[in-house]
Formats: sequence, C-alpha cells, structure tokens
Amino acid sequence: SQQGEEDPQALSIQEGENATMNCSYKTSINNLQWYRQNSGRGLVHLILIRSNEREKHSGRLRVTLDTSKKSSSLLITASRAADTASYFCATDHFGNEKLTFGTGTRLTIIP
Amino acid sequence: NAGVTQTPKFQVLKTGQSMTLQCAQDMNHNSMYWYRQDPGMGLRLIYYSASEGTTDKGEVPNGYNVSRLNKREFSLRLESAAPSQTSVYFCASGQGYGYEQYFGPGTRLTVT
Repeated sequence: SQQGEEDPQALSIQEGENATMNCSYKTSINNLQWYRQNSGRGLVHLILIRSNEREKHSGRLRVTLDTSKKSSSLLITASRAADTASYFCATDHFGNEKLTFGTGTRLTIIP
Repeated sequence: NAGVTQTPKFQVLKTGQSMTLQCAQDMNHNSMYWYRQDPGMGLRLIYYSASEGTTDKGEVPNGYNVSRLNKREFSLRLESAAPSQTSVYFCASGQGYGYEQYFGPGTRLTVT
C-alpha cells in the first residue's frame, strides 16, 4: 500500500507564483525524499530530508518536515514553465530498505 | 557518465509471451531497483537488489523474476506476460538505504 499521499493531486499556477504541495505518511520515517518527473521521463531526485531535520533548501526549493504531524511540504518559489512536471514524495522507514512513493502532484505552470 | 540505461524503450507483447527488460548503471552503486508505474498509482516496487548476488521481493513481485548479473546490471523478466502487466517500468540505482535513487528513462510495455 502507498505510504505517501500528496495533496493536491493537481495544481495550476501562473509563472512567477509560488507552488506548494504537501505529503502525508502513516508510519515513522527515517528519511523523506522529493522527486520530479517530466512527462514521459524518469524520476529525478530533488531533495532528501532526514527525520531529525525540520527544513531544507536547495535553490528555489524549500522542504519542511513535521514528524509530529507525519507530513512534509515542498515549496517552489518563483515558478517557471520548466517546473511543469509531476512531483512525488517517497519515504523510507527504519529497518526497511525500500522507498515507498506517493501518487504525486501534477504541477502546471501557465506562462 | 550514462547514469542508468534501460532497453528497450518500447515493447508490445501478446499475452503469454516472455521478455527481459535490461538495466545497467555506471555509478558503482550497490543497490538496484525495478518499479512499475501505472496511472494514478505512483511507483510500486517490484524487486530490488541491495548488493550483487542478492535480490528481494518488493510490493508487487508476482509474475516477475529478476537477475542481478553483476554490480552494473539488473534484469527483469516476464515469463508469461498478461494484460495486467501493461505499464511503464523504471529501473533505479542508489548507494542503498537512506540515499537517493537515480532512475532510468523507462520502458513502456503494452501486453495485448
């Protein structure tokens, strides 16, 4: 069964606006990762946040993690047309080698 | 570096036919993975290999077999294809538990 649930399922914003998507999970995690997938392509790793971290930045990306609420958010600032893609969160859990992916948020940036 | 490569890119099979999907990585990663992606389902793990010589089942292993041929290569075999196996298949590699994964471009498989 899927651990991560992204919200919203789809999001459309104007270029230049900020985009926020959320991920919730059910059981305690070791790490949480975000990936991007452009249409018809493989997934690309964006950022990894460990369970003892609360916030992490990478360029225009900001990820937060709230382990008490079992949730994470991905913020993309100053969006660009090239950010149009699906975004997935993935979790791994203590003692479990496997990553579990959510169903994704489809982000569309309107030029 | 090519990263993770997969062959073929597209394949159409008839029900009952067999085929092998090939995957290779040139990043010296210990771990390799096979996923399938279906509309609205996200990615689901089929099999993985934590190191050369070991393989383990993932979430949806039924109907598939794998071989970790060496550190670089990890193949996925469908012995008797079924329409339910129509999907996009992704191979990935990584340093292992707690690290990011690197994905190949995918194989789009249709079983009629």
